[in-house]
Amino acid sequence: DGGITQSPKYLFRKEGQNVTLSCEQNLNHDAMYWYRQDPGQGLRLIYYSQIVNDFQKGDIAEGYSVSREKKESFPLTVTSAQKNPTAFYLCASSMATGTNSPLHFGNGTRLTVT
Amino acid sequence: AQRVTQPEKLLSVFKGAPVELKCNYSYSGSPELFWYVQYSRQRLQLLLRHISRESIKGFTADLNKGETSFHLKKPFAQEEDSAMYYCALNTNAGKSTFGDGTTLTVKP
Repeated sequence: DGGITQSPKYLFRKEGQNVTLSCEQNLNHDAMYWYRQDPGQGLRLIYYSQIVNDFQKGDIAEGYSVSREKKESFPLTVTSAQKNPTAFYLCASSMATGTNSPLHFGNGTRLTVT
Repeated sequence: AQRVTQPEKLLSVFKGAPVELKCNYSYSGSPELFWYVQYSRQRLQLLLRHISRESIKGFTADLNKGETSFHLKKPFAQEEDSAMYYCALNTNAGKSTFGDGTTLTVKP
């Protein structure tokens, strides 16, 4: 069954700890994205990657880091520098980086930092 | 910089009534626009895209470059249309910018 898998579904961490969210896709998509979804604020782009071993900052990259060592994987690390990390995180992929490619989304990871 | 505005956070209509979810955008280039939908307990998914000019689940959306709008319309709303709807803009740089979303409730 093709798609995007995010794990875990729920994640709890203590303040000051880094945490890594997993995102795997078997759609053979070139581009992958991380969004943050907060109530009333829609989706905000954190990082995106158009090709393996390359990625770009989105609109709210501060306090986050990513890697793209494999085409199918795009993990997101929420560092202790992120001032307000508690949020719902969505991973997405698209076939290409052209403007006509829609996004395919995972089910999301809800991160709670206390 | 590109921007997508969905002016209504909440929209409520009765079953069988027409519904229109508004979306306005600002972008200096040639935009490609999409509507995504998130039903309860399901993942966010593509509803329709401007370039396809198709009707999905009775919904249509027309790109109006003069008014920079991409409103989503359905002539007769159904209860199963209740969901969160996001308008999104793709740019040449490969980024997708989303609006804040509109929660549609269709009452029986």
